[in-house]
Formats: sequence, structure tokens, C-alpha cells
Amino acid sequence: AQTVTQSQPEMSVQEAETVTLSCTYDTSESDYYLFWYKQPPSRQMILVIRQEAYKQQNATENRFSVNFQKAAKSFSLKISDSQLGDAAMYFCAYRRGGSNSGYALNFGKGTSLLVTP
Amino acid sequence: GAVVSQHPSWVICKSGTSVKIECRSLDFQATTMFWYRQFPKQSLMLMATSNEGSKATYEQGVEKDKFLINHASLTLSTLTVTSAHPEDSSFYICSARDWTGEGNQPQHFGDGTRLSIL
Repeated sequence: AQTVTQSQPEMSVQEAETVTLSCTYDTSESDYYLFWYKQPPSRQMILVIRQEAYKQQNATENRFSVNFQKAAKSFSLKISDSQLGDAAMYFCAYRRGGSNSGYALNFGKGTSLLVTP
Repeated sequence: GAVVSQHPSWVICKSGTSVKIECRSLDFQATTMFWYRQFPKQSLMLMATSNEGSKATYEQGVEKDKFLINHASLTLSTLTVTSAHPEDSSFYICSARDWTGEGNQPQHFGDGTRLSIL
């Protein structure tokens, strides 16, 4: 089974600064997808960014970007210009590849991000 | 965008009762839906994969007779917690992916159900 490891239970960043959340995963597959989800106190799961393993270019969504190192099986999330609204639990997730919708997400344990004024 | 509706959002009931949670895909068809469970300050753990028109696939350690899953149509899956006890109190979240989309389409999550058993 694929495992996802988030080694930082908690992180803190000052408003307007940059923070990086780490994620590593273990898999023997070559085709897969990686995601970062944000879960605020409302507990709604919000997709932040996704990366296809076959793409070498790192994904970027506005202030959010990833550093995808396939050989190292690393998938970190960088949040630039942090805002108070970024405070939440962040989960890294892995999904097997293929168009089959029958593959569930494997989640890491999460990183709680605190943003201070 | 695609939306998944989950109902109810919060339920409190007495020990021994059964509780049904609904998960609907509102603007797409989902042959497969997923049910997750999340304890406070923990991650989401997959309970089962719900397959339209067939039996659900349960993860190891999840009691299929306790957590009944029915996926009778391409837009609706239900999770019934039978004879619920306080240890079943948790946050339950469903998700689904548009099976007609590209492989990189993400899963869409319902807003979750907070279940409290007294």
C-alpha cells in the first residue's frame, strides 16, 4: 500500500511570509497523482493544488506552488504571501493513476498551519 | 464546478439507534464514491469504496454489518451506521469523482457529517 508521510504536525508563519509544508510518499507505481487539500475549522475539504506524476513541471496555483521531486518521492507545498485565511490543516494525498475512478485517496496525517499577524 | 452534497451535516442520537447518511453528486455521475472517517485532529481514513449497482468494498478492520453502504444510483450513495454506539461518534465524509473526466480530475468532497452518539 502507498504511504504518505507528513513529518510536520504543526507549522507557524507570519502574515505575508512564505512557508513550506513537506510531504513524502512511498510507491512502486509510475503513474499517480498527488494533491494538497486544505481543511479549515469548518472541516470542509478544499483542493489546493494537484500534480500529475508524469509532468516534470511543478504545479502552481496563485500563491500556492509545489516542489515535486519524483526520484526522491517528495511533494512539498509552498505558500507565498501567507494570509490569515490560510490557517488550516493541510493534507497531502496520493492517488493511483489511470482513468478508473475506483482509486481512493491515501492521506498523510496532516500539518496544522498557524498564521500570525 | 462539480458538487457533492452530504446530508445531514450533524446528527445526535441515542445509543442503539441506526443513522443514515446520504451522499449525492449533484451535477455529475459517480460510479464510485468513497466513505472516509475522521477522528478529531486526525487524518481521513478510508472506510469503504461504494460501487454503483454492486457491493461495497470495505477496508480492513471496518465492519460491513455495522456500516451498511448502498449505492443504488449513479448519483447517490448512503452509509447507514447500524446500532450506533458512542465509539462510532466521529466525522464522516464522502467523496466522488466524475468518472467521465480525465484521470487527473480530483475527488470532490461532501461537507461531512458530524455524528454524536449519546
